[in-house]
Amino acid sequence: GAGVSQSPSNKVTEKGKDVELRCDPISGHTALYWYRQRLGQGLEFLIYFQGNSAPDKSGLPSDRFSAERTGESVSTLTIQRTQQEDSAVYLCASSQNFGGQGDGYTFGSGTRLTVV
Amino acid sequence: GEDVEQSLFLSVREGDSSVINCTYTDSSSTYLYWYKQEPGAGLQLLTYIFSNMDMKQDQRLTVLLNKKDKHLSLRIADTQTGDSAIYFCADRRGGNKLTFGTGTQLKVEL
Repeated sequence: GAGVSQSPSNKVTEKGKDVELRCDPISGHTALYWYRQRLGQGLEFLIYFQGNSAPDKSGLPSDRFSAERTGESVSTLTIQRTQQEDSAVYLCASSQNFGGQGDGYTFGSGTRLTVV
Repeated sequence: GEDVEQSLFLSVREGDSSVINCTYTDSSSTYLYWYKQEPGAGLQLLTYIFSNMDMKQDQRLTVLLNKKDKHLSLRIADTQTGDSAIYFCADRRGGNKLTFGTGTQLKVEL
């Protein structure tokens, strides 16, 4: 697609429920990233995919968080047994392999998750 | 360490210049970036600079890089109300992963 698409744009869920967030990267972008942004704070790295493998998942905060990616396409971030501290905007970004380029990431608009 | 640090808040008057500062710690950074985040939106890439450059200008934006001091700045000339946003710097150290700063909230007052 023309841009990075995330769905849903907003999600309100009850504490203890599971949620699944989706990211459609730009076609041809091999790298995909998930970040979390709590209210009024900076970006917290969660996980990075190269193709469908995840060479860096050091930022996943607990075993309630998992992510997968199908080939060089859609990624889903799943949060099990949601807690109130999971409330945040979850941002997805994609990029080509940088090589010698400095193009940076293209971000989606994010999914605002509210756990009540 | 891997920190990228920014001041949290900057307020300027419309028409003035804004200067947003960033410091990073990793001397192996290859590219440095500035992103803009408007309310309720994702991050938009504004500009980037390669680490062997010390300045890059793009219309109203000027990026200055002092590699010795590991200091990056973004100057916005003739700041407008539409420039009000959060500005993030980020660095790349090889590979594909970027490390982002904490963000600077720019408020433009009339």
